[in-house]
Parts: sequence; structure tokens; C-alpha cells
Amino acid sequence: QKEVEQNSGPLSVPEGAIASLNCTYSDRGSQSFFWYRQYSGKSPELIMSIYSNGDKEDGRFTAQLNKASQYVSLLIRDSQPSDSATYLCAVNWVWDDYKLSFGAGTTVTVRA
Amino acid sequence: DVKVTQSSRYLVKRTGEKVFLECVQDMDHENMFWYRQDPGLGLRLIYFSYDVKMKEKGDIPEGYSVSREKKERFSLILESASTNQTSMYLCASRGRPQEKLFFGSGTQLSVL
Repeated sequence: QKEVEQNSGPLSVPEGAIASLNCTYSDRGSQSFFWYRQYSGKSPELIMSIYSNGDKEDGRFTAQLNKASQYVSLLIRDSQPSDSATYLCAVNWVWDDYKLSFGAGTTVTVRA
Repeated sequence: DVKVTQSSRYLVKRTGEKVFLECVQDMDHENMFWYRQDPGLGLRLIYFSYDVKMKEKGDIPEGYSVSREKKERFSLILESASTNQTSMYLCASRGRPQEKLFFGSGTQLSVL
């Protein structure tokens, strides 16, 4: 079974610091990768998608993809209390294009 | 504004009951998904559908079935509810593979 693994949390960071979240996946040929944020009691919402090796920046968020190492990460710069949430990594499997699998999530708490 | 609507926010059922969870999207999306979310396990895919009357098993289909008679509606059926099916159920849709998912607000199902 194809797997998506995220670093175990919870992750506690002080306000203004960088939060670093990691995700590995088992299918070398996967093409599409997503980071979703989920506040407690709410549904997941997309914050970043990345398809090519390298970095992709959007505001305070940076996604990094390394397909050779089967690794995708999310950096949150200048962390704010409003960033406190669970972050879910999701991967589209290359041979099963319709299927999007999620990791278990990493819970981030930003301390004021 | 895009919308995925799940019929119930909270549902309490008894063991052995047949349970229907309904999901409707107004975006003319081809793909629809049912996930369940349990603490520490993330989102696990139960079933998905890539077209009307078409369905595919996800990672944990046992004990569930689905129905998609119309493009906008995707139903999850628990033929005989059991206590281990107590969970948060999330419906999602998207237009094409590789695009982002839009989630419904979720149904918290308790089976007593």
C-alpha cells in the first residue's frame, strides 16, 4: 500500500520563529503534492501545491520538493498564533491519478 | 462560491442500523471522494468516484458502499453500522486529477 508519512508532532514554536514540517512518500513516480491546513473542528483547506523539484513560495509559506529523495516539506516563516493548526501532506499517486492519499498530519502550536 | 454540502453535521445511530451520508457539490466536478478522519490516523480514503455510476475502492472500503446516480451527489452507505465506524466523515470533490480538493464541513457519526 502506498504511504505518506509525516513527522510526528506536536510541534511547538515561538511566535516569529520558523516551523518546519516534513513529509515522505513511497511512490517514486508521484507528480503532485499538496499541503492542507486544518483548524480544530474544521475541514482541511489547501495552502500550497507543488509539482516540480525545488522551492515554491507563497507569502510566509514555502514548499520544498525533492522527488529523488521522495520528500516534500513546508516551512512557515514568522509563525503567528493563527498558524496553530494541523498540517496535512497529500500525494497524488502516479499510477492511480484519481487517488489522493493523506499523511496523519502534524499539529503545530505557535506560542505567543 | 464553490460549495460541498454534507447533509448532517452530527449523527447518532445504533449498531446494526443502515446509515446514509449524503454529499452534494455545485461545481460540476467529475471526481468525488469519501474520507474518514480519526485522531492520529489522518484522512483515510474509503471510496471515490470519477464519473456518474463509476466508483473505486479506496484504502478502507470494508463495511461501506457508495452510490453516485447523479453527478452532483455522492452517497456513503453503512450497511450495518458498527461501533468502529464512529468517526468524522469528510466528503470532497474536484474537477480533474491533480487539482485541489474542496471539502464539505464533515459529519461526526457516533455509533452506539
